[in-house]
Amino acid sequence: GQNIDQPTEMTATEGAIVQINCTYQTSGFNGLFWYQQHAGEAPTFLSYNVLDGLEEKGRFSSFLSRSKGYSYLLLKELQMKDSASYLCAVEDSNYQLIWGAGTKLIIKP
Amino acid sequence: GAVVSQHPSWVICKSGTSVKIECRSLDFQATTMFWYRQFPKQSLMLMATSNEGSKATYEQGVEKDKFLINHASLTLSTLTVTSAHPEDSSFYICSSPQREYNEQFFGPGTRLTVL
Repeated sequence: GQNIDQPTEMTATEGAIVQINCTYQTSGFNGLFWYQQHAGEAPTFLSYNVLDGLEEKGRFSSFLSRSKGYSYLLLKELQMKDSASYLCAVEDSNYQLIWGAGTKLIIKP
Repeated sequence: GAVVSQHPSWVICKSGTSVKIECRSLDFQATTMFWYRQFPKQSLMLMATSNEGSKATYEQGVEKDKFLINHASLTLSTLTVTSAHPEDSSFYICSSPQREYNEQFFGPGTRLTVL
């Protein structure tokens, strides 16, 4: 079967760094996405990894290891507005996204 | 990036009525549109995939006669929830994959509440 696991909820402090992990088992792999979703809104694109390694984009970075079926999203210099759900999604060989359940990130002052 | 609009953004209806949700690609041609449903505190669940000019492909467990999808043009896909019931209350989102951007573009979503 296809499965994507990520923690249900994480708490971090404003200004700190947090790493959200995602492990996956899917039939076919074209790439891995990270999306941010605020309550009541559609997801917004954060990153897309195809090859192994770290992709840095401002305060957000995403890492992929295809051999381990593992990815993480790293958020630096956390701001209160970063409080949201972070969704990990794997694109299968048919270009459909298989979604994780999302990690709710709570930022405390 | 590409823009997808969705209408209405929210709708409240009585049980037994039908509701149509429109998803439009504003500045690109959307040959494929994914329709998702999201219940509170849950992840997106793919309902169906629509391709312009052909029948939609429904995921297991999704009733095709209840959730009618039409993708008659390259810029418009519609989802009609027929004979809606309270358990159909959910957040419905469409998205279109765009290979040149390596991502999917989401509509803003439609919150459906069935009384």
